[in-house]
Amino acid sequence: EDQVTQSPEALRLQEGESSSLNCSYTVSGLRGLFWYRQDPGKGPEFLFTLYSAGEEKEKERLKATLTKKESFLHITAPKPEDSATYLCAVQPPRGGGSNYKLTFGKGTLLTVNP
Amino acid sequence: GAVVSQHPSRVICKSGTSVKIECRSLDFQATTMFWYRQFPKKSLMLMATSNEGSKATYEQGVEKDKFLINHASLTLSTLTVTSAHPEDSSFYICSASSSFWMAFFGQGTRLTVV
Repeated sequence: EDQVTQSPEALRLQEGESSSLNCSYTVSGLRGLFWYRQDPGKGPEFLFTLYSAGEEKEKERLKATLTKKESFLHITAPKPEDSATYLCAVQPPRGGGSNYKLTFGKGTLLTVNP
Repeated sequence: GAVVSQHPSRVICKSGTSVKIECRSLDFQATTMFWYRQFPKKSLMLMATSNEGSKATYEQGVEKDKFLINHASLTLSTLTVTSAHPEDSSFYICSASSSFWMAFFGQGTRLTVV
């Protein structure tokens, strides 16, 4: 069974204090790893998709990296508006049911204080 | 990014009544739509997968007679919670995909059954 574990569950940072969120996964034959941002009472907002170990993607203050067992979401010099829950999800290979099914972690609640 | 519209954003209904939630892909054709349920401080749990024109595939433990899913067109899927009870109160989120590497989410629907 695919498993996704995110850590820490919650993280408080001061504005400008860089840090990283972790997403470790166990899935046979990863097809894609996704990062989403979710604000309270809203649906997840797509951030990144990573496909292979060694891949990196950046968007503003966020950078996502991928290894064979985990992914990191690095946040550089965060601002209060970066406060949200960050969700990680994995997509298994084809043939195991739905081709587009995602398995989500529980998320990391990030709070950035001014 | 692509836009997925979910309606209503909030609904309160009486126990025993049915509630319909709509999910529309506004600027792309969604061959597959997913329905998730999210409890407070918990991960998104996939309820069912629907492909346009065919019956939905439900995850283990999800009652198909209680959560009716219809995906009549490439831009619209509906989730009907039948004979709702307080334990059905939750945050329901849809997502739509036209390809395996991208899934966009709706804004979510907060259902409260009183």
